[in-house]
Amino acid sequence: RKEVEQDPGPFNVPEGATVAFNCTYSNSASQSFFWYRQDCRKEPKLLMSVYSSGNEDGRFTAQLNRASQYISLLIRDSKLSDSATYLCVVTAIGDSNYQLIWGAGTKLIIKP
Amino acid sequence: DTEVTQTPKHLVMGMTNKKSLKCEQHMGHRAMYWYKQKAKKPPELMFVYSYEKLSINESVPSRFSPECPNSSLLNLHLHALQPEDSALYLCASSRTLTGLNTEAFFGQGTRLTVV
Repeated sequence: RKEVEQDPGPFNVPEGATVAFNCTYSNSASQSFFWYRQDCRKEPKLLMSVYSSGNEDGRFTAQLNRASQYISLLIRDSKLSDSATYLCVVTAIGDSNYQLIWGAGTKLIIKP
Repeated sequence: DTEVTQTPKHLVMGMTNKKSLKCEQHMGHRAMYWYKQKAKKPPELMFVYSYEKLSINESVPSRFSPECPNSSLLNLHLHALQPEDSALYLCASSRTLTGLNTEAFFGQGTRLTVV
């Protein structure tokens, strides 16, 4: 099992729809969680940190489920400009060991 | 200001060349990272510096040599690279490596082609 797993997609979604991605992680000691978006041939850009209580930023909502070891990203009222690859990142600190692991990314295509 | 600046934006080098990639941030971040990214793949962590000390080396070949001259600068020295090393090289920084404030901000990357 991969340490961080994402559905690669692509997700083809009509404009205005709601879309949700999940990202599962295997290390129960994981401590920090992030969602990034990356446009083709560009650098990753931080979208949201994911907090235990869940957090919302406009049309975007991130949730953390520690019991089931996954994080989720919900995009409401999707726009054409939301088309990108969405990557989750998980960090964990063990004894003398620091892990920073990226999921392979989920490709989202918003269609008019 | 969440700016990380990388130079050059593009680099073509021969297998016998020596070149350096540069990264700069003035956000007071004390953790800096080098990543390598191939097309349609996620970034692969190469090195992490925390408070100017090398904290993580993900078993990167010695033809890649990182350097952190001060808290704002990070270099990646390249020597005797192979064509398969062609990739986008990304620099990132975060306020700290562990604990709170570990969100990383990326530079635009250097697109490297080894011929």
